[in-house]
Amino acid sequence: KAGVTQTPRYLIKTRGQQVTLSCSPISGHRSVSWYQQTPGQGLQFLFEYFSETQRNKGNFPGRFSGRQFSNSRSEMNVSTLELGDSALYLCASSLELAGGNEQFFGPGTRLTVL
Amino acid sequence: GEDVEQSLFLSVREGDSSVINCTYTDSSSTYLYWYKQEPGAGLQLLTYIFSNMDMKQDQRLTVLLNKKDKHLSLRIADTQTGDSAIYFCAERNNAGNMLTFGGGTRLMVKP
Repeated sequence: KAGVTQTPRYLIKTRGQQVTLSCSPISGHRSVSWYQQTPGQGLQFLFEYFSETQRNKGNFPGRFSGRQFSNSRSEMNVSTLELGDSALYLCASSLELAGGNEQFFGPGTRLTVL
Repeated sequence: GEDVEQSLFLSVREGDSSVINCTYTDSSSTYLYWYKQEPGAGLQLLTYIFSNMDMKQDQRLTVLLNKKDKHLSLRIADTQTGDSAIYFCAERNNAGNMLTFGGGTRLMVKP
């Protein structure tokens, strides 16, 4: 069974631009969560989607948004990029909301904002 | 809010046991996890424990949970150089699948 895939793996953008990252969960998994990892703040929860609905949201500004499609694939978008948005963005896939107890992470998308 | 704390660094010799510790504050935690991250990679799920258990063993890995003290540990037996990585503990409460992570412990294994 294929693992969680994220595209692209690396991205370079400039301040003010916007970016869209994609995550394909493990087949059959319906929950997708997004995390931001930076050296200063560590791993921080962005949001979680289940069956195309946002179930939880972390403490990030409205520039960060996401969505989930009917095939469970998810995208996150960051608008008006800032230097501080440079990070590794990780998505995690889980079988079902709350009941599932194993969350599997993808390799991440490394975003650099210049 | 919830807080998860880990020591920053641990150095052991190959063949010894490693013990990585973690404390958390959220008393409503349902599951606690250990993840491994190697340079340039995502997070690899190592093991997890349900909050009503106090121990779980999985090959070289042993997880101990002291719910009263909100203390979690990961013991790696016969530590190998390939175990060198950053180890994160994380807790999940009843609010969906959101994980709160510790800052990570960098394990260095010396030959």
